[in-house]
Amino acid sequence: AQSVTQLGSHVSVSEGALVLLRCNYSSSVPPYLFWYVQYPNQGLQLLLKYTSAATLVKGINGFEAEFKKSETSFHLTKPSAHMSDAAEYFCAVTSGSARQLTFGSGTQLTVLP
Amino acid sequence: ETGVTQTPRHLVMGMTNKKSLKCEQHLGHNAMYWYKQSAKKPLELMFVYSLEERVENNSVPSRFSPECPNSSHLFLHLHTLQPEDSALYLCASSQALGQGVYEQYFGPGTRLTVT
Repeated sequence: AQSVTQLGSHVSVSEGALVLLRCNYSSSVPPYLFWYVQYPNQGLQLLLKYTSAATLVKGINGFEAEFKKSETSFHLTKPSAHMSDAAEYFCAVTSGSARQLTFGSGTQLTVLP
Repeated sequence: ETGVTQTPRHLVMGMTNKKSLKCEQHLGHNAMYWYKQSAKKPLELMFVYSLEERVENNSVPSRFSPECPNSSHLFLHLHTLQPEDSALYLCASSQALGQGVYEQYFGPGTRLTVT
């Protein structure tokens, strides 16, 4: 069985501040992890993925995430928030034998001017 | 067209109507998915097709009927829906299952309102 917990359904940061969105996973086998972003009235767009290569993964739009096995975490960060980063962010997990992604409940990011 | 497209983008239907949602992927993938996204709830996987064969059906009511005529097209046929079926329906595609783990690419969704 696998699951994802996203801590904080809403996160607000000031423009230019650090963005930190938290994701913890549970998986009985080595996981594959993903972050997706959803802008209003749009589908989900892949930001980055971890598939057991480098533990620090760089994605699009300046985002990155670090896989920490000891903490079962895959937090998403960006050094400096931009107004255009305001969106909902989803963490997802799957294992090599799983047929589906399991998504977290999402974190709504608000960027304040 | 590129990526994953969905039509219509918005749909309002009565409970006695029959309608269909269409999804088309232009990525050369051969696995396709239907998800339901309701307010305040996590994404719910509804159906998975891999190589045009349905491989997952997550206890979805029979008023939702999927169809995958080829690897590029996926339909969701709707009939006698309930107001609680109002949601954003997302289609996604990926490389075929069982050949490694590949990310899913999503369409923009169809916003369905059942009156």
